[in-house]
Amino acid sequence: ETGVTQSPTHLIKTRGQQVTLRCSSQSGHNTVSWYQQALGQGPQFIFQYYREEENGRGNFPPRFSGLQFPNYSSELNVNALELDDSALYLCASSSGLAGGSLAKNIQYFGAGTRLSVL
Amino acid sequence: SQKIEQNSEALNIQEGKTATLTCNYTNYSPAYLQWYRQDPGRGPVFLLLIRENEKEKRKERLKVTFDTTLKQSLFHITASQPADSATYLCALGAGAGSYQLTFGKGTKLSVIP
Repeated sequence: ETGVTQSPTHLIKTRGQQVTLRCSSQSGHNTVSWYQQALGQGPQFIFQYYREEENGRGNFPPRFSGLQFPNYSSELNVNALELDDSALYLCASSSGLAGGSLAKNIQYFGAGTRLSVL
Repeated sequence: SQKIEQNSEALNIQEGKTATLTCNYTNYSPAYLQWYRQDPGRGPVFLLLIRENEKEKRKERLKVTFDTTLKQSLFHITASQPADSATYLCALGAGAGSYQLTFGKGTKLSVIP
């Protein structure tokens, strides 16, 4: 097990609603990344947080936002849900910014939250 | 734009043979490359990391090569077993200062007993 837990496991929402997904990182990991994985695709990077601040963002609109808390938990919020937001949302923690050690960017993934937007 | 291609969506192989998976990329200069395994309903699990200045890395029955001239990585599983059946993802990292991983679509490997 990776020590990363996500909740809920599954979620069904309707278009236009808002959703909050939660993640508990491995203890001691200061960096958390969120990914969206559509069916049959690889994970797509949404954004990354390091010590409670956003530290990089992929090609996702501002209605995707996040928070990271000092207790190694984090949230992904999505507003104004669209049908195309239906996907598996993955949270991954790592031990910190690389700072010369690439091993620190090995991602430890949770099992994901399956979001269905109807 | 950056593009990562994994050779095929699905690969079937007989138990005991060597499975070889390919990851090609364009418009990208990765500092390192990682391989992950993903089982149905689970998140990806890290397998191996190889840096741009390394040619080959091994871990037990796994071997990965990285050719920055060809812009290609090969991932080998020797003496494959049915338990190796999963989807394998390659992920590229730009290096220090950029911690985003860019993933390929994955190759679903099935090892037939």
